[in-house]
Amino acid sequence: AQKVTQAQTEISVVEKEDVTLDCVYETRDTTYYLFWYKQPPSGELVFLIRRNSFDEQNEISGRYSWNFQKSTSSFNFTITASQVVDSAVYFCALSENYNQGGKLIFGQGTELSVKP
Amino acid sequence: DAGVTQSPTHLIKTRGQHVTLRCSPISGHKSVSWYQQVLGQGPQFIFQYYEKEERGRGNFPDRFSARQFPNYSSELNVNALLLGDSALYLCASSSVLVNEQFFGPGTRLTVL
Repeated sequence: AQKVTQAQTEISVVEKEDVTLDCVYETRDTTYYLFWYKQPPSGELVFLIRRNSFDEQNEISGRYSWNFQKSTSSFNFTITASQVVDSAVYFCALSENYNQGGKLIFGQGTELSVKP
Repeated sequence: DAGVTQSPTHLIKTRGQHVTLRCSPISGHKSVSWYQQVLGQGPQFIFQYYEKEERGRGNFPDRFSARQFPNYSSELNVNALLLGDSALYLCASSSVLVNEQFFGPGTRLTVL
């Protein structure tokens, strides 16, 4: 069965600190997709990144970076030099392969609080 | 371009009533998915429609139903509402089945 685990329920940091959000997934599919979404207090989920199972290259986008390791089934998200505007709930998600309809399976989320 | 839109924003119903939630996808997107997010949890998949056909159904009772119209907009219907149906209902659209899904602002349903 597919499952996503975000073991960190809440994280609190001071502005400018680096912070890493952990994500561990389980799937028996050989083709799958991993995602990160941000949910600010307004409630709307904001897409951050998609990764497919064949692409283990790490990615950096500004202050955001993602580390995908198939060997440990992890897809961790690091924010460098955090800012107050980064405060939100962050969700990691797994998508089944094409034939399964592509539904997203979300983790429980990690609430990040960045204090000034 | 406009993002995913949902209506209404908020809704208050009583137990046993019926509710219809609406979603308009991003222009050009043919896939619409529905998710339920209970407070403090991650979204749970309810349905996915692609080209007006149901392509996936989550573990929800038959009281939940949905459809997709020729213009790719979608409705989620919930019958015989229970207190436990109180949640944020999110709609997402994507251009193909497994591409990134873009979410709307959600409809917050309160069942009293």
